[in-house]
Amino acid sequence: GENVEQHPSTLSVQEGDSAVIKCTYSDSASNYFPWYKQELGKGPQLIIDIRSNVGEKKDQRIAVTLNKTAKHFSLHITETQPEDSAVYFCAASKVRDTGNQFYFGTGTSLTVIP
Amino acid sequence: NAGVTQTPKFQVLKTGQSMTLQCAQDMNHEYMSWYRQDPGMGLRLIHYSVGAGITDQGEVPNGYNVSRSTTEDFPLRLLSAAPSQTSVYFCASRPDRVKGKLLFGSGTQLSVL
Repeated sequence: GENVEQHPSTLSVQEGDSAVIKCTYSDSASNYFPWYKQELGKGPQLIIDIRSNVGEKKDQRIAVTLNKTAKHFSLHITETQPEDSAVYFCAASKVRDTGNQFYFGTGTSLTVIP
Repeated sequence: NAGVTQTPKFQVLKTGQSMTLQCAQDMNHEYMSWYRQDPGMGLRLIHYSVGAGITDQGEVPNGYNVSRSTTEDFPLRLLSAAPSQTSVYFCASRPDRVKGKLLFGSGTQLSVL
């Protein structure tokens, strides 16, 4: 199966600074990499995703980069705000006959200090 | 659209009791799945379904049963609850088996005493 490792497990930044969360995956056949934000007491919400045929994708203050050769991908949040405080999960997925299966990292708890 | 709806939000069981966690989606999604979330372990797939009448096991299926009689509903059954099943359970769905965004419900927090 796939093994997704995520670092760091906790991250504190000052408001306005950037935050970077990194994930590595083991299966070179994985081709879809979503990122989820989970606020306390809620379900994970998709914030950005990237496919293996793209190296970088940006959506306002959030960007994701993918290095297929090294099998790692990263989430970048610029100009952080207190409402960015949450747990962030990366995931890797690949096409299978029975349907894609998603493998998740262990999460990063981000705290933005006002 | 209500999205993915899970009930109940909280549940306490005694060891050996059975219960069903409900999941429903109104987006006509073909693919539905159940995850459990434990501290330090991320989200792990329990069971999934790629359409009515079709289910398959994920990473941690032991102790859980599922069925998919309609496109909308995908209940998760615990036949004899154990303390090791104390966790937060999430249902998630996507338009089909190979593409589309995976959307999550708000979760069920289950405690087994």
